Amino acid sequence: KQEVTQIPAALSVPEGENLVLNCSFTDSAIYNLQWFRQDPGKGLTSLLLIQSSQREQTSGRLNASLDKSSGRSTLYIAASQPGDSATYLCAVNPSGGSYIPTFGRGTSLIVHP
Amino acid sequence: DGGITQSPKYLFRKEGQNVTLSCEQNLNHDAMYWYRQDPGQGLRLIYYSQIVNDFQKGDIAEGYSVSREKKESFPLTVTSAQKNPTAFYLCASSIGTSIVHFGPGTRLTVT
Repeated sequence: KQEVTQIPAALSVPEGENLVLNCSFTDSAIYNLQWFRQDPGKGLTSLLLIQSSQREQTSGRLNASLDKSSGRSTLYIAASQPGDSATYLCAVNPSGGSYIPTFGRGTSLIVHP
Repeated sequence: DGGITQSPKYLFRKEGQNVTLSCEQNLNHDAMYWYRQDPGQGLRLIYYSQIVNDFQKGDIAEGYSVSREKKESFPLTVTSAQKNPTAFYLCASSIGTSIVHFGPGTRLTVT
């Protein structure tokens, strides 16, 4: 059974820092991997989707990389801002047709001014 | 704009009562999902449906029931058999392998 782990569980940084959030998964037979953002009391918003054949995806100050063979993905946030404060979750979709994602528990990020 | 709506945003019930959470989507997505989120536990899958009139149990289906009579609608009933129903419930949808969209969630409190 796929297991997804996110490290660290919580992170507090000053504004302007570059950040790396980590996601690891146990089964490398994945179809794609997705990063989400969740604000307190809200639903999840998709940030980036990486197909298994891709190495990275970029959107603005966000860059996600994928190393399928080692079971790792990182989300890089450049020049962090207080508005980036949220919980970031990664989700792994398995190959094989079921497309039922497995979620990590998330990294809770606070960026203070 | 297309999206997923969940209602109500907050729901309060007495123990022993069944309660139904609404989830509607106008994205024309085939697949719909119900997740439960508890503090520090991430998202756990309750039920999912990949086509109308068909649904499968997820990891924590006991005490819950669903129906999928229309493509747009996937209501979740929390029954009195669910031992610890107080949680944040999220509905989601997807088409094929593309991005999963989430609704805003319903916070259920049972006392």
